[in-house]
Amino acid sequence: DAKTTQPPSMDCAEGRAANLPCNHSTISGNEYVYWYRQIHSQGPQYIIHGLKNNETNEMASLIITEDRKSSTLILPHATLRDTAVYYCIAHNTGNQFYFGTGTSLTVIP
Amino acid sequence: EPEVTQTPSHQVTQMGQEVILRCVPISNHLYFYWYRQILGQKVEFLVSFYNNEISEKSEIFDDQFSVERPDGSNFTLKIRSTKLEDSAMYFCASSERLLGAYEQYFGPGTRLTVT
Repeated sequence: DAKTTQPPSMDCAEGRAANLPCNHSTISGNEYVYWYRQIHSQGPQYIIHGLKNNETNEMASLIITEDRKSSTLILPHATLRDTAVYYCIAHNTGNQFYFGTGTSLTVIP
Repeated sequence: EPEVTQTPSHQVTQMGQEVILRCVPISNHLYFYWYRQILGQKVEFLVSFYNNEISEKSEIFDDQFSVERPDGSNFTLKIRSTKLEDSAMYFCASSERLLGAYEQYFGPGTRLTVT
């Protein structure tokens, strides 16, 4: 799986959009970009994934650049409950999801 | 919404004792996983299991660890002789498939404390 790079921490005002960037410049053509989050010490929670098209679900939107070297997870209206560590993972087949250190997002009231 | 469940939520054991951590994966899922997270560190893959066999394991998963699917619903992780460094959160996960795009769904975890 390709290495991903994320900022270690970010703040976002409650009610505003949170935009979390991820760099995956060595991603291969068949690797998907997945986003998970971990609230405190709970189990990682799946958010969204994509290959090359932008994706949206009830939790978030995923914007992948045309060259697929980076992506952005967008939480459109951040709430205090969105405070968590967010992980960007590039993954193809195989068993392991490699969790890095992620971005610690703090939503500020 | 179906979810992965784990028991117990917290297990305290003495060094050298055996522990069994239990998981009930999502019912139609075929692939099962254990991960662990030592306090303040990354989530690390331990093992994956499919069709009653280990399909992949990490170097962490040594002879002290074993996994089993004893019946149609449970998936267990056994640590034979616990060490202090086994203290961690242990997460079970399951997925419907392995190829293409698939999500691994994680349970809430078992906090293992070895004293």
